[in-house]
Amino acid sequence: DAMVIQNPRYQVTQFGKPVTLSCSQTLNHNVMYWYQQKSSQAPKLLFHYYDKDFNNEADTPDNFQSRRPNTSFCFLDIRSPGLGDAAMYLCATSSRRVGNQPQHFGDGTRLSIL
Amino acid sequence: EDQVTQSPEALRLQEGESSSLNCSYTVSGLRGLFWYRQDPGKGPEFLFTLYSAGEEKEKERLKATLTKKESFLHITAPKPEDSATYLCAVHPGDTSGTYKYIFGTGTRLKVLA
Repeated sequence: DAMVIQNPRYQVTQFGKPVTLSCSQTLNHNVMYWYQQKSSQAPKLLFHYYDKDFNNEADTPDNFQSRRPNTSFCFLDIRSPGLGDAAMYLCATSSRRVGNQPQHFGDGTRLSIL
Repeated sequence: EDQVTQSPEALRLQEGESSSLNCSYTVSGLRGLFWYRQDPGKGPEFLFTLYSAGEEKEKERLKATLTKKESFLHITAPKPEDSATYLCAVHPGDTSGTYKYIFGTGTRLKVLA
C-alpha cells in the first residue's frame, strides 16, 4: 500500500543534542510537510516542500531545519533541542500545492527531551 | 484572519447514542474542508473532503455535511471503536497560491460500551 512512513516512532534525546527525524513516502506526491503537534493542540505547520522548493513558516524557530534529497524522502533536523520541543512531529504529503487535495499523514515521531 | 473552531472539545457518548461534531470556519474562500480521525499516538487518518455548501459524504457510521460557515460530522449509533480525536481542516481559497491547511484543535470523542 502507498503510504507515508516516519522513523523512528519514538525518539529520546538530551537537551541540546542534535536529532534528525525522517519521513519517506511511496505516494509520489510532490508536496511534503512537517508539522509539530503538542497534546490537545492543532498540528502546527513548520515548513513544506513543493518539489525542491523549500518554504519556511515565519514563526518556525531557526533551530529547526529540513532537507529533501529526493521526491521520496524528507528530514527534519533539530539542531539544539530544548524542553519546549518535546512533541509529536508529523510528516504529511499532498499531490498538489494549491488545491483541494487531502493530506496524507505518517504516524508521527514522538520526541522526548531529557 | 483565517480560523477554524471545533466544538465540543470533548464528547462522551454511550454506545448507540448518535451525535454531531461541529467545525465552524472563517476563511477567505474555501477550496476544501477535510475531516480526519486521529487515534492516540498516531497520525491523522483522512476521512472526507467537502468542496461546496450542500455537499454530503458518508462512510459507515459517519456522515459529513457542509454549509457556507460550518461543517458537521454526524455519528450514527457509535461504537467504542469510534473513540478518537476528530480533526477538521480547511484549505483557503486565497488566489495567492497558499499551500496552508488550517486545522482546528479537534473534538476528543469517547464512546462507552
